[in-house]
Amino acid sequence: AQSVTQPDIHITVSEGASLELRCNYSYGATPYLFWYVQSPGQGLQLLLKYFSGDTLVQGIKGFEAEFKRSQSSFNLRKPSVHWSDAAEYFCAVGNNAGNMLTFGGGTRLMVKP
Amino acid sequence: NAGVMQNPRHLVRRRGQEARLRCSPMKGHSHVYWYRQLPEEGLKFMVYLQKENIIDESGMPKERFSAEFPKEGPSILRIQQVVRGDSAAYFCASSPSGHSAGNEQFFGPGTRLTVL
Repeated sequence: AQSVTQPDIHITVSEGASLELRCNYSYGATPYLFWYVQSPGQGLQLLLKYFSGDTLVQGIKGFEAEFKRSQSSFNLRKPSVHWSDAAEYFCAVGNNAGNMLTFGGGTRLMVKP
Repeated sequence: NAGVMQNPRHLVRRRGQEARLRCSPMKGHSHVYWYRQLPEEGLKFMVYLQKENIIDESGMPKERFSAEFPKEGPSILRIQQVVRGDSAAYFCASSPSGHSAGNEQFFGPGTRLTVL
């Protein structure tokens, strides 16, 4: 069975500082990995996805993520955080059948001025 | 091209009533997924449907919950005899094809169900 762990429930960073959100997955085959962002009271917006190929994936809003098979990780990074990045971030893994996503518990990001 | 639409956005029901949540997928998408998000938790898969077919309902509670995606009209998630524990945000997602592995799912804004 597939699973996703986001070890950090809350993270606070200062505006302009760099950011890394951790994600570890468990899946028996090549994973399909996603990062979504959810603003309060809103739905989920896809930031980026990894299917195959280059392990460093670029996404929207200046985010990137790196797939590391040896560590079963897919950490999300941003070099300089903006106040508008404050939201909840979810890592997810998709199965080969393409019929479901398994989400981590989420990391709530707060940005200090 | 409108995104995934869900209505109502907010729904209040008393214990024992029925809740009907509707989802219209993006144009051209024939695959619909329902997820539930309990307070302070991540999203949990409930059911995956194609037109007139339930493909995977492994995440659906065994009783009181049902889902359909008719040939015409939106997908419906139905909860009978709601209880307080059903209070959650219910998200619908759609994709053009579920069989192409890794297809992105596009999410709607969710329906927030409150059971009094």
